Formats: sequence, C-alpha cells, structure tokens
Amino acid sequence: IAGITQAPTSQILAAGRRMTLRCTQDMRHNAMYWYRQDLGLGLRLIHYSNTAGTTGKGEVPDGYSVSRANTDDFPLTLASAVPSQTSVYFCASSSGSNQPQHFGDGTRLSIL
Amino acid sequence: GQNIDQPTEMTATEGAIVQINCTYQTSGFNGLFWYQQHAGEAPTFLSYNVLDGLEEKGRFSSFLSRSKGYSYLLLKELQMKDSASYLCAVMDSNYQLIWGAGTKLIIKP
Repeated sequence: IAGITQAPTSQILAAGRRMTLRCTQDMRHNAMYWYRQDLGLGLRLIHYSNTAGTTGKGEVPDGYSVSRANTDDFPLTLASAVPSQTSVYFCASSSGSNQPQHFGDGTRLSIL
Repeated sequence: GQNIDQPTEMTATEGAIVQINCTYQTSGFNGLFWYQQHAGEAPTFLSYNVLDGLEEKGRFSSFLSRSKGYSYLLLKELQMKDSASYLCAVMDSNYQLIWGAGTKLIIKP
C-alpha cells in the first residue's frame, strides 16, 4: 500500500542524546515536510524539502536538521535532544506545493 | 503575525448537522485546507478551497470567503465515527501551511 512510513513509532530518549527519526514515502512526491504537534497548538513546520537535494527551514527549525539525498527519504535529526523537544513528530509529503499533504502515522518522542 | 482561529471544542448529536468555523490572518493566501485527525492518529485530508464559495463532498462541505478571512466545515448526518479533531490550515504566500490548533468534535448519541 502506497504511503509514508515513519520509524520509530515511539521513543524515550535521555537528554543530550542524538536521535534520527526516519521517514520514507513511495508515492514519488517531490515535497516532504516535518512537523511537530504539541497539545493546544497547531502543527508547526520544522523543515521542508521541495525536491530531492534541497531543504528549507520552517517555523521551528532550531535543534533539528534534515537531509534529502533522494526522493523517497527525509530523515530528521536531533543533534542533542532537550526536554522541550518532547512532542509528536509527523512527516508528510505532497505532489506539489499547493496540493494536499499526506501524513505518516507519527513518532511519539519523550526526552527525559 | 499569522493567525488561524477555530473553536477548541464542540459537541453535537448523532444525526445532526454541525458547522466548524475558521478565521485566518496570513501573509498571502494560496488556499485553505481542512483535515480530520482521530485521537492518536495522523491528520487526513478532507477538503481544499481556493476560490470563494461552497465545495461539497458527500456529508462534508467546506465554504470560503477570502474577503472575510473566513471558512467553515459543515458536517451533515453526523455519525459517531465523526468524533475527531478538525484542523484548518491556510497556505501562505510562501506556500507553507499555517495550522490552527484544531477543533475537537464530540458526538453524543
């Protein structure tokens, strides 16, 4: 079934550790996005990529980095995790900038 | 700044009709999206409006007034499975989505 796969589903991490959240899509979508979702707030864009080889900063990029080596994969890395990065992280993709975004099932990350 | 406002929570009865409002102030406008998100799950796309007027899709309809910075999602013949959060999102001049915090809809029998 075509879609977006995120891994891991959930993770508990000690502060200061490095963590990479994985995201893979098989829809050949050009654009991919990373969001965080916190209680009482809307989804906030962390980083995005309009096409393979390019990335851009969203609303809340500090403490996160991404890469887009190919069309399918868009990993998100926390270089040194802090408790304020405890959140649910969603990866999404779309076929174009004004097309609907399709979401993965999310990664629930707790930083202790 | 950019802002999307929608009610935090609404309650409705099974079989009834409910309207969820969304008002927005953004730098530019390239369309408005509605998504449904069940608890613990990913958001799923419901509708897209870029021109003024009503878009109907089965039991769900979405309306847009660009001059008023206003949209609503209308759900008819409510079913228990419609209990979810409904997210309003506006695409700004940079083609980035600005998201509201969502409206939690509770359906009672």
